[in-house]
Amino acid sequence: GQQLNQSPQSMFIQEGEDVSMNCTSSSIFNTWLWYKQDPGEGPVLLIALYKAGELTSNGRLTAQFGITRKDSFLNISASIPSDVGIYFCAGQLVETSGSRLTFGEGTQLTVNP
Amino acid sequence: DTAVSQTPKYLVTQMGNDKSIKCEQNLGHDTMYWYKQDSKKFLKIMFSYNNKELIINETVPNRFSPKSPDKAHLNLHINSLELGDSAVYFCASSHFFGGRRLFFGEGSRLTVL
Repeated sequence: GQQLNQSPQSMFIQEGEDVSMNCTSSSIFNTWLWYKQDPGEGPVLLIALYKAGELTSNGRLTAQFGITRKDSFLNISASIPSDVGIYFCAGQLVETSGSRLTFGEGTQLTVNP
Repeated sequence: DTAVSQTPKYLVTQMGNDKSIKCEQNLGHDTMYWYKQDSKKFLKIMFSYNNKELIINETVPNRFSPKSPDKAHLNLHINSLELGDSAVYFCASSHFFGGRRLFFGEGSRLTVL
C-alpha cells in the first residue's frame, strides 16, 4: 500500500518560534490534507491542497502541495501554546475505483511558554 | 450539537470479552469510517461504509464486525478481545465516498486487561 513518511516525529519549541514539518510519499497523490489532533480529541482538518504547486494559508498556517505530487509541507509561524497537538498529513488519490485517505505517522508538537 | 458522536468514550474490559462501540453522525453524510489509533498515534483505516454498504474492509481480524443500520450510524462490535486490541478507535464521516474532508468523533479509548 501507499506509505507516507512524516517528519519530524516530534518537536519541542519555544512560544513565538516558527515550525516546519513535511510529508513525503512513494506514490503520487492528487490531494494533500493536514489535520491537527488536540489531546483527547479527534483530528480536525486544517488545510486542504488540491493542485500540484499550490500554496495555501490559514491564519498562521501555510501548506504547500509539492510539484512532484509526492510531498507536502506545513509551516506554523509565531507558535503559541494552543498549537500543541499532533499534526497529521494525509494524501488522497482519487481514481475511478474510489479513493481513500492515507495518513502520515504524525508530528507531535510541544510549545513551551 | 456534536457532529460525530461515539459512545463510550472509555472502555476497560477483560481479555476474551465482547464489546461494542457506537457512532452516530448528524451531518447528513453518506460515508462513515472506523479508524484505529495505536499507542504510536498512527491512524489506520479499518472500515468504510457508504449508504450502509461496506466499501473498505482493510486487513482486520474477523473478530471485528461493523454494522450500519442506517447511513447515520456505524457501530463496531469486537469479539474475543485481545490485549493488542487496546487502542483509540475513531469514527469519522464524509459527505460522500472519496470526500476529502473527514469529520472525526472524539474517539473511544479501549483498554483490554
